[in-house]
Amino acid sequence: NAGVTQTPKFQVLKTGQSMTLQCAQDMNHEYMSWYRQDPGMGLRLIHYSVGAGITDQGEVPNGYNVSRSTTEDFPLRLLSAAPSQTSVYFCASRQQGADGYTFGSGTRLTVV
Amino acid sequence: KQEVTQIPAALSVPEGENLVLNCSFTDSAIYNLQWFRQDPGKGLTSLLLIQSSQREQTSGRLNASLDKSSGRSTLYIAASQPGDSATYLCAVNGNNRLAFGKGNQVVVIP
Repeated sequence: NAGVTQTPKFQVLKTGQSMTLQCAQDMNHEYMSWYRQDPGMGLRLIHYSVGAGITDQGEVPNGYNVSRSTTEDFPLRLLSAAPSQTSVYFCASRQQGADGYTFGSGTRLTVV
Repeated sequence: KQEVTQIPAALSVPEGENLVLNCSFTDSAIYNLQWFRQDPGKGLTSLLLIQSSQREQTSGRLNASLDKSSGRSTLYIAASQPGDSATYLCAVNGNNRLAFGKGNQVVVIP
């Protein structure tokens, strides 16, 4: 099992550019989520999905879009990147409500 | 909104000492609590998962306790080693959201 796979590992964007951070899991987990980690702020929830076709906002959703067309994939889209979106992004998944979470290795994004 | 606090934020201990890391949370309506380890520039590695109905969970030198009614969890690491140097994150799972503390940054001095 590969677990949770995130691509790319590193990315530099210019302000106003768009991009998609990819997240895929091969564990047939229903729940997937995106977090961002910033120094002094800890990890904060951006968006999450409880199954294919269902998404919801987390704590810091502004500037980000998500969709969930399959169980395996949960991409995070930045439509117009801003320097405030410079962060490390983590994708996580779990099976049921009381299961533990499995995290990907992260994407380090810099917006200049 | 769930608030998670970890104390102390940073600590250094000599090799061989036992480590005690504290986590407190404000809302006791949780599914479970998970402790993670994060090395610099790396992802999160799950250490222990404690269900809300459990009092403690053990894995090797690691032991985590949970007192849901008082909103506290403690991670014990016995006989610390330099390889235990890392940031330890406490995360509380409730209502489809994982709420994190800011971490305990640990340095074990050889």
